[in-house]
Amino acid sequence: DGGITQSPKYLFRKEGQNVTLSCEQNLNHDAMYWYRQDPGQGLRLIYYSQIVNDFQKGDIAEGYSVSREKKESFPLTVTSAQKNPTAFYLCASSISRGRDTQYFGPGTRLTVL
Amino acid sequence: AQSVAQPEDQVNVAEGNPLTVKCTYSVSGNPYLFWYVQYPNRGLQFLLKYITGDNLVKGSYGFEAEFNKSQTSFHLKKPSALVSDSALYFCAVRRSGNTGKLIFGQGTTLQVKP
Repeated sequence: DGGITQSPKYLFRKEGQNVTLSCEQNLNHDAMYWYRQDPGQGLRLIYYSQIVNDFQKGDIAEGYSVSREKKESFPLTVTSAQKNPTAFYLCASSISRGRDTQYFGPGTRLTVL
Repeated sequence: AQSVAQPEDQVNVAEGNPLTVKCTYSVSGNPYLFWYVQYPNRGLQFLLKYITGDNLVKGSYGFEAEFNKSQTSFHLKKPSALVSDSALYFCAVRRSGNTGKLIFGQGTTLQVKP
């Protein structure tokens, strides 16, 4: 987990509210990723960014939004349009795209009440 | 279609015995393969990867993995399991193209009993 921080560790949200998950890295990595983890389903890619001020949708982007204004930060907003947002969210980064290893943060567990 | 399969939801081994966690993949072109481990309520920790070269890859904590191109497999192994190895293990393959995106398997829970 070293070098990538995610906050908060646990987050509770009421239905209809937007919430933003923080992801910061001090590894000087260009690429950053957001994944969602549900029991028995592995990890699914939500959004990824290969460079500052640029990002692309992953496999399950609906109901989510991101920004990449700084190299070290890649916040994820879970909007009210996301139908089933309760999950474990993981942020990752890599030196660049391609063959580089992705390193993961400790995760944020989001629960919608 | 590109995919990763971990055929076993759970693997049980006794401490001190060898362990194998299976992974097969389907991807066009040369595969880049990864193994990660996850402890409860934690992020994923990188164990090892295969990019090219020797088919036997050595990684962290005494783990190794064998790449078999003909069987499209990348099984994770350890000669002597520890109770502390009990965790959730994920195999992943990099998708074709140059985006760096990974496809993850469903995960295999390893239970090592004393």
